[in-house]
Amino acid sequence: EVQLVESGGGLVQPGRSLRLSCAASGFTFDDYAMHWVRQAPGKGLEWVSGISWNSGSIGYADSVKGRFTISRDNAKNSLYLQMNSLRAEDTALYYCAKCGRRFLESAFDIWGQGTMVTVSS
Amino acid sequence: SYVLTQPPSVSVAPGQTARITCGGNNIGSKSVHWYQQKPGQAPVLVVYDDSDRPSGIPERFSGSNSGNTATLTISRVEAGDEADYYCQVWDSSSDHPLVFGGGTKLTVL
Repeated sequence: EVQLVESGGGLVQPGRSLRLSCAASGFTFDDYAMHWVRQAPGKGLEWVSGISWNSGSIGYADSVKGRFTISRDNAKNSLYLQMNSLRAEDTALYYCAKCGRRFLESAFDIWGQGTMVTVSS
Repeated sequence: SYVLTQPPSVSVAPGQTARITCGGNNIGSKSVHWYQQKPGQAPVLVVYDDSDRPSGIPERFSGSNSGNTATLTISRVEAGDEADYYCQVWDSSSDHPLVFGGGTKLTVL
């Protein structure tokens, strides 16, 4: 079964850091680009960051550029999101999503269930 | 960055056809993807590359894209189709290349 399982969310104070992980199974992880997408409570979907199959292409939303870093470990079938200098507006459910192809621009054909990040003092 | 505009809500009776639009500047030159999200669940891809359907998605779901508007069409709407629907594109010319529309709540009357 193709599956994505996120972890690492929680309650964190403004200005602190958090690292999210996404464990992939049921498919050849290093054949596909991967992304992080977030959804604030009661709001729509917002793209956060994406990484190509070999980490050769990486993109970030303007709202997180310079604060968040995406990475992947193909040997461990895992995707990561290092989040620094967190702000209240980063509070959201963070989804890991698999692309249908190796490159960033293809559609997300598999989504995880998400991990909640709450930034509050 | 590129902007996608969706109507906040669309209502349709069971058995009728729902059309959800996604507006953007020359969106017809881009590939549009559509996602369905039911309450408390992760999004599901229902149409990709304007008009292709992933395996397992009913033929009732179809898409088109031309000019400044892309459209998701749901034929013979069922109660189970009630959900939020989001369009998405990749704009390679932008520093913020991946964009979602604001979402449309489909209500089945």
